[in-house]
Amino acid sequence: RKEVEQDPGPFNVPEGATVAFNCTYSNSASQSFFWYRQDCRKEPKLLMSVYSSGNEDGRFTAQLNRASQYISLLIRDSKLSDSATYLCVVNLYNFNKFYFGSGTKLNVKP
Amino acid sequence: NAGVTQTPKFQVLKTGQSMTLQCAQDMNHNSMYWYRQDPGMGLRLIYYSASEGTTDKGEVPNGYNVSRLNKREFSLRLESAAPSQTSVYFCASSELGGSNNEQFFGPGTRLTVL
Repeated sequence: RKEVEQDPGPFNVPEGATVAFNCTYSNSASQSFFWYRQDCRKEPKLLMSVYSSGNEDGRFTAQLNRASQYISLLIRDSKLSDSATYLCVVNLYNFNKFYFGSGTKLNVKP
Repeated sequence: NAGVTQTPKFQVLKTGQSMTLQCAQDMNHNSMYWYRQDPGMGLRLIYYSASEGTTDKGEVPNGYNVSRLNKREFSLRLESAAPSQTSVYFCASSELGGSNNEQFFGPGTRLTVL
């Protein structure tokens, strides 16, 4: 069983749409949670950390549900520039390891 | 401030050849990591180094060795390359602790083993 699972997509949405991605993790000892963005043939870059109380950064909202062991990412008012692959990442802090989901591909179309 | 740098960017090897991938960071981070990324598999941890002088196996260490040369540099060696090692390799660094454990990635090395 994978440590982190994501729907691979692709999610094809029109500009201006709202889209949501979910991610589940298997280890209840996971301490930190992140969403990374990866553009085609580029390195991953941090989009946002995910806090227990949920957090928002502009058009992006991240939520954590520890009881059900999933995190979510909501993107409002999608832009063409949001087209990328979104990686869910969890960190077992005590073991200095990060586990990556295989990513969800988003295509925003005009 | 270059962040994380990797060399080479591209490499083609024949089965059985050896090579070393180089990684350096200038952010004074204690922790460094090597990942490989294959289609549909996400990033998988090969080895990591929590601090200078220490290294530990990750999820897929077989066929690889690492050296944490100093705080800045963390190299990955393939002693006898195999076609199954064809992949994109990313080096990353982070400063664990507090509420932000962000990892910073290098641009990657695209390796093909024939």
